[in-house]
Amino acid sequence: QVRLVESGGGLVEPGGSLRLSCAASGFTFRDLYMTWIRQAPGKGLEWVSKISGSGNDIYYADSVKGRFTISRDNAKNSLYLQMNSLRVEDTAVYYCARDPYHYASDPWGPGTLVTVSA
Amino acid sequence: QTALTQPPSASGSPGQSVAISCTGTSSDVGGYNYVSWYQQHPGQAPKLIIYEVNKRPSGVPDRFSGSKSGNTASLTVSGLQAEDEADYYCSSHGGITNVVFGGGTKLTVL
Repeated sequence: QVRLVESGGGLVEPGGSLRLSCAASGFTFRDLYMTWIRQAPGKGLEWVSKISGSGNDIYYADSVKGRFTISRDNAKNSLYLQMNSLRVEDTAVYYCARDPYHYASDPWGPGTLVTVSA
Repeated sequence: QTALTQPPSASGSPGQSVAISCTGTSSDVGGYNYVSWYQQHPGQAPKLIIYEVNKRPSGVPDRFSGSKSGNTASLTVSGLQAEDEADYYCSSHGGITNVVFGGGTKLTVL
């Protein structure tokens, strides 16, 4: 079955960096867009970034553009999110998800918590 | 980018039907047939229940249905069950903003 598992979250100071990973299994990883979505504590969902199967097409939300970099390694069935210049408002659970349909994500991983605090 | 507008709460009794609205603009909901709906139970990751306005992924009960008129999309849950109590989020392709979410609706089964 399809499985996505995020890792790499933790506590970081403002201005710091963190790299999230997402290990995928149960489907042909290279064929699909992959997406990162975040949810601040007690808040709603916010789309962050997505990358095509080949890695050639990449999109970012304005709130993270220039600070976050999405990438993938199809040989390792892995998705990444390099987060630099982190801000307190980046504190959230970060989910990775695959996009089997146009602009719809399914399933989602369990998420990894990123806390940005001094 | 501006989030889609959802009512903060909705409720219904078991067996009843309830509709949740999701209002955007002609640049997102009204401009594309790429509206999705997600269900999120407390402490869990969201789950896709509707994509491309009215399509259900495999395994999603047909009690869940989606529709769209102009700039407003709707999710209808028929034959409410206790396990339907959850947060529901809509999303839409937003052109250059790619994907935009609604603020979420907490559905209570009375």
